[in-house]
Amino acid sequence: GAGVSQSPSNKVTEKGKDVELRCDPISGHTALYWYRQSLGQGLEFLIYFQGNSAPDKSGLPSDRFSAERTGGSVSTLTIQRTQQEDSAVYLCASSKNGGFEAFFGQGTRLTVV
Amino acid sequence: GENVEQHPSTLSVQEGDSAVIKCTYSDSASNYFPWYKQELGKGPQLIIDIRSNVGEKKDQRIAVTLNKTAKHFSLHITETQPEDSAVYFCAASPFDKFYFGSGTKLNVKP
Repeated sequence: GAGVSQSPSNKVTEKGKDVELRCDPISGHTALYWYRQSLGQGLEFLIYFQGNSAPDKSGLPSDRFSAERTGGSVSTLTIQRTQQEDSAVYLCASSKNGGFEAFFGQGTRLTVV
Repeated sequence: GENVEQHPSTLSVQEGDSAVIKCTYSDSASNYFPWYKQELGKGPQLIIDIRSNVGEKKDQRIAVTLNKTAKHFSLHITETQPEDSAVYFCAASPFDKFYFGSGTKLNVKP
């Protein structure tokens, strides 16, 4: 596609439910990043993929968070047993070569009620 | 790991004036420095970037300078317009990851 696509754009879920957030990177981009942005805050690194491998998972805040990438393309971020503090905008970015020219999607706004 | 500091956190200028945002980094291995503009409700948009083998880069009203010795880089916006109002993030990349500053909220008053 023309840009990074994320779905859904908005998600409201009840506390304790699981959610899946999807990211479609730019075609041909091997590197994919997930960030979290709380209201009015900066960008918190979650996880980085190079192809289907995740060399750096250091930013995942707890074992309730996991992510995978298949076919070197689509990535899914899963949050299990959601908590209110998980409410944030989850941003995905992709890069043709890791570490250069990363482009972001529009984000998924997650609200846990 | 890399640590990126960004100043100021908020900046208010009159339309037509210049705006300067400054960032410092800690890891001498960082070799790529992008700047992003984020408008309300949208994802960050890459507006300009610079690599470590270049000291300055300009694109119309936007310019970025890099001082590798001092480990700091700056974004310069000239002839500011109301549509420049947004949050701006700097970042540094030593290898495959990006480390972001905390952001600067720029308000351009008409």
